Amino acid sequence: AQKITQTQPGMFVQEKEAVTLDCTYDTSDPSYGLFWYKQPSSGEMIFLIYQGSYDQQNATEGRYSLNFQKARKSANLVISASQLGDSAMYFCAMREGLNSGNTPLVFGKGTRLSVIA
Amino acid sequence: GAVVSQHPSRVICKSGTSVKIECRSLDFQATTMFWYRQFPKQSLMLMATSNEGSKATYEQGVEKDKFLINHASLTLSTLTVTSAHPEDSSFYICSARATTGRSSNQPQHFGDGTRLSIL
Repeated sequence: AQKITQTQPGMFVQEKEAVTLDCTYDTSDPSYGLFWYKQPSSGEMIFLIYQGSYDQQNATEGRYSLNFQKARKSANLVISASQLGDSAMYFCAMREGLNSGNTPLVFGKGTRLSVIA
Repeated sequence: GAVVSQHPSRVICKSGTSVKIECRSLDFQATTMFWYRQFPKQSLMLMATSNEGSKATYEQGVEKDKFLINHASLTLSTLTVTSAHPEDSSFYICSARATTGRSSNQPQHFGDGTRLSIL
């Protein structure tokens, strides 16, 4: 079973508008972390934002915010005031068993965001 | 911030060649590093977990003898693609996470990746 599901292969957004990228996850571990990464065409993975399973508030980092709905097991990324430079692939990822030191990130299939001028 | 350096960034070589990719954590120690493979327009697939001073843990379906991993120090892991063939052509990317401090919210930092093309 897929642990991370991103249902939007591609999204378009007008410059300066906000956009929400969906992510749902599946785990039975009560301790986990959710991450979003941006991958531009050059290939590097850029960390954007983190949400822990025990965090009471939604994470925010500048123009990025995470809409964390634990009961629904969703962790959608909201990008406000989109810029042309936001065009990239966006990956949602999860790490289970946060007290364990060597658990890897598991990635969703990604969403390609295109920002239109 | 924490930086992971991966080298080389691009390799083009003939079939049958062995290729070594290095992954270094520049300003932190990492007892564990991860190697991922990414095909065009697809997600990152975990190949193996590299453990300093011990054998790597490979994911199901990944050939241990094909993809040799060595993690000789707390800052260096290497992936060697042995006797590479065209089907091994892919984007390989390493990742590491600082082992000190609170680990729960430490993101995995990624190298810039290696584009491997086997002719």
